[in-house]
This record gives sequence, structure tokens and C-alpha cells, in this order.
Amino acid sequence: DGGITQSPKYLFRKEGQNVTLSCEQNLNHDAMYWYRQDPGQGLRLIYYSQIVNDFQKGDIAEGYSVSREKKESFPLTVTSAQKNPTAFYLCASTTIRQGSYGYTFGSGTRLTVV
Amino acid sequence: GQNIDQPTEMTATEGAIVQINCTYQTSGFNGLFWYQQHAGEAPTFLSYNVLDGLEEKGRFSSFLSRSKGYSYLLLKELQMKDSASYLCAVRSQTGANNLFFGTGTRLTVIP
Repeated sequence: DGGITQSPKYLFRKEGQNVTLSCEQNLNHDAMYWYRQDPGQGLRLIYYSQIVNDFQKGDIAEGYSVSREKKESFPLTVTSAQKNPTAFYLCASTTIRQGSYGYTFGSGTRLTVV
Repeated sequence: GQNIDQPTEMTATEGAIVQINCTYQTSGFNGLFWYQQHAGEAPTFLSYNVLDGLEEKGRFSSFLSRSKGYSYLLLKELQMKDSASYLCAVRSQTGANNLFFGTGTRLTVIP
């Protein structure tokens, strides 16, 4: 079955560490996105990519980095520069011509700073 | 920029009908989506509106008025499993066709 997979489901980070969240899709989707969700807040866009080897900053890109070396993969690195990284991170994908399709979401990674 | 407003919380009784409103301001409107999200899980697609009017899908309906920047999600015959957050999202042509999400409405269904 086609889908989008995020791993790990739970991740703990020590102060000053970089961590990488994985996002893989086998839907042959062109565009991929990373969102952050905090309690009581909506989804905020971190980075997005519409084509391999190209990506754009979203509204809250500071302290994060991404790469898009393969169509299927869009990993997110939370760097030590991100001062408040504890949150629920969601990856999504879609076709370029979305129509009524919208996004398909992964199951999320909950990151906690310890 | 984008501005999307929804009520933060709502409570309704099992078997009843509830309407969740969403107002938005955006440039280059290119569709409105409703997603359901249970706590700690991924959002799942519920409905899509791009033209004015009502779209019905089983117990769920969604309405759009583009001139008023307004949408609502109507849930009928509420079930306990409908307790979840409901996210309104607007697609904008000026934002690379990205989706912009409201804060979500947390619905609690009580017996």
C-alpha cells in the first residue's frame, strides 16, 4: 500500500544536539512538506520542496534544515540553534496539481528535549 | 498573508448536529480543506470546497462562501469517535499552492 512514513514516532534530544527526523513516501508525489504543531496551535510550515534538489523556507525555518536528494525522501534536521524544539512534527506530501486531493500526512514524530 | 479563524473548542451531545465555522482572509484563494485529527495522530482528509455551495459526504458536509471568506463543517448524528480536532486549511495560489492551516477546533462529544 502506498503511504508516507515518518520515523521515529518518539524522539528525545539533549540540549545542544542535532537530530534528524525521517520522512519517506512511495506515492510518487512531487511535493513534500514539514509542519510543526504545538498544543493549542495550528500547523506551522517549516520547509517545503516541490522538486528534487530544491526546497523553500516556510514560516518558521530558523533552526531547521532539510534536504531533498531523492523524490521519496525529505528528512528534517532540528539543529541546536532551534531553542524550543519540543513539538509534534508532521510530514506531508501531495502532487503538484493537487486538485481536490490536498495533502497526505505521515503519522508524526513527537520530539522532546531532555 | 493568510489569516484563518476557527473556534478553539466546542462540545456537543452524541446523536446531535454540530457546525464548526471557519473564516479566512487570503490572496489567490484556490480551495478550502477540512481535516480531522485525533490526538497524537496524523490529520485525515474530510472534505474539499473550491466553488460556493454545499458538499455532502455521508454524515459530514462542508459549505463555502468565497465572497464572505467563510466555510463551515457540519457533522450529523454525532458519535463518540467524532471527538477530535477539526482543521480548516486554505490553499493559496500565491503561496506555491501550499495549504495554510487554522488553529483547529477541538470537538468533544458527550453522552
